[in-house]
Parts: sequence; C-alpha cells; structure tokens
Amino acid sequence: SQKIEQNSEALNIQEGKTATLTCNYTNYSPAYLQWYRQDPGRGPVFLLLIRENEKEKRKERLKVTFDTTLKQSLFHITASQPADSATYLCALRDRGLSGGYQKVTFGTGTKLQVIP
Amino acid sequence: DGGITQSPKYLFRKEGQNVTLSCEQNLNHDAMYWYRQDPGQGLRLIYYSQIVNDFQKGDIAEGYSVSREKKESFPLTVTSAQKNPTAFYLCASSTPGTVKTQYFGPGTRLLVL
Repeated sequence: SQKIEQNSEALNIQEGKTATLTCNYTNYSPAYLQWYRQDPGRGPVFLLLIRENEKEKRKERLKVTFDTTLKQSLFHITASQPADSATYLCALRDRGLSGGYQKVTFGTGTKLQVIP
Repeated sequence: DGGITQSPKYLFRKEGQNVTLSCEQNLNHDAMYWYRQDPGQGLRLIYYSQIVNDFQKGDIAEGYSVSREKKESFPLTVTSAQKNPTAFYLCASSTPGTVKTQYFGPGTRLLVL
C-alpha cells in the first residue's frame, strides 16, 4: 500500500541549531514533493517544492533534499529560531501510470519545537 | 488581499442535523479542495473540484456533499449520515498547471453537541 511517513514524535532542538525533518514514502513515484508549515489551529502554508529530477532546493534558511533512490526527502532549517516552532507537513503528487487526475497526498506532519 | 476565507471558525452540530461550511477564494483558481484533519492523521481529501460545475469524490466523501456553482465558492455540507464529524476542516485552492501549490483557508472546527 502507499504510505507517506513523517516522524510522529516531536522534534525538540536548541535555538541556533539546524533542524532536520524526514519524509519517507512507499509505493509512490512522485512527480514532485512539497513542504508546508502549519501552526496550531491554522491552515498549512506552502514553503518549498522540489521536483523528481532535482536533488536540492534552497530558500533563505530552508533547504530541501530529495533522494528518489532512498525514497526520502529531508527538510532542513538552519539557525533555527523559536518562531520556527510549528508542525511541518510533506506532500507529494504521484506521477501516475496513466492520464487523469493525480491528487496531492499529505503526510501526518512532524512537530518542531525550538527551545530558546 | 488575495486569499481563502472559511466560515465559521467554530461550528456546532446537533444529532441529525446537516451543517454547511463556507469556503470563498479570490485567487482566481479553478481548482478547489476540502480536507479533513484529525489529530495524528494527515489531511484526508473529502472532495475536489477542478472547474466550475464539476466536482469529484476524494478518499472520504461518504456523509459529505459539495457544490461548485461559482468559481469563487466551494461550500461543504456535512450531512447527518456522517457519524463522526468532529474534526478540523480545511478548504484549499491550487495554482493551475501540473504543479499544484495549494493555498489553504484558516479552517473550521466542527464539534458535535
């Protein structure tokens, strides 16, 4: 069966350190993978997208890597700040074997807590 | 300001009652979605609409209904057939093309009295 797995345990990290979150997937051939941030009681906000033929993407303090052999994406926040504390969701869109609509599927998210 | 609005923020449903959640967007997006979020679970797709007057069932459509009469609006009705409606409901719209970046509303929390 198809699965997207993110660490369900919260990640606690000291301010200034690099936070690394993991997204593993099974039985998907992603056309692209996205990372979203969700604050409590709010809707997710898009952060970064990486396509199947890309290895790494950066945006300010954020970096995403994509390894289709390991079937894994890593999301890094460098110089983390307490304001980075939130739940981070990965989402992917499968290429699909034939035409037609391919939905975006979300992981369960990992809660990040940055400690001052 | 462009964006997605959802109302109400909190909604209470009595047994046997149908309730409707509102979703409006001014991003000029064709595609719109409804998700349900439960603690410890990912977002689950209820319904989606790729264009006005057309919509499709997602993974958990039973007990829900939608309409898409206008591009800007995609209301979701939680019917009495939905036996476990307590959840956080999120509406989204997405950019056109093959890469669909989704823009989410602030959500509606539905509680059962």
